[in-house]
Amino acid sequence: SQELEQSPQSLIVQEGKNLTINCTSSKTLYGLYWYKQKYGEGLIFLMMLQKGGEEKSHEKITAKLDEKKQQSSLHITASQPSHAGIYLCGADNAGGTSYGKLTFGQGTILTVHP
Amino acid sequence: DGGITQSPKYLFRKEGQNVTLSCEQNLNHDAMYWYRQDPGQGLRLIYYSQIVNDFQKGDIAEGYSVSREKKESFPLTVTSAQKNPTAFYLCASSIAPGAGGYTFGSGTRLTVV
Repeated sequence: SQELEQSPQSLIVQEGKNLTINCTSSKTLYGLYWYKQKYGEGLIFLMMLQKGGEEKSHEKITAKLDEKKQQSSLHITASQPSHAGIYLCGADNAGGTSYGKLTFGQGTILTVHP
Repeated sequence: DGGITQSPKYLFRKEGQNVTLSCEQNLNHDAMYWYRQDPGQGLRLIYYSQIVNDFQKGDIAEGYSVSREKKESFPLTVTSAQKNPTAFYLCASSIAPGAGGYTFGSGTRLTVV
């Protein structure tokens, strides 16, 4: 099965700083999803990447998928306390030929100090 | 507004009891999923269903059971055979298997007392 490794496991930054979270796969990523979660709540969809070299942005968050489609990064510019939470990457297994099961990384806990 | 509703938000189970977690969606999605979340382990798939009256085991199905009698509903039963049920449970749906667009519920926290 596909495994996803996120790094770092936790991150503490000062408000206004930039940061990057990485997600690395042992297999080719056919659909890579980024979610944000507040503790004890559901997952909020951020972005989905499918093509090698693809990059998407929403407000101050940019996600990229490398050309080989085995690594994705999530970059936050000028972080704010509202960015704090758990960031999870998820990958669609088997190139969409399965039942669309998502495998998740272990999550990155982000703390932003005002 | 369309979405996924999980209930209850908090649930307490005594040793040896079965409990059922509810998941309802009004998104007209075909596929539904149950995940378990433990600290530091991300989300692990318990069961999934791509159509009514059909469901498949995920990676950690032992001690759990599900049913899919209606398109909108995918309840999860945590049986007494699940030795470590204390966790945060998340339900999700997607318009079709592999189509992306996964939507998650707000979760149920189950605690064994």
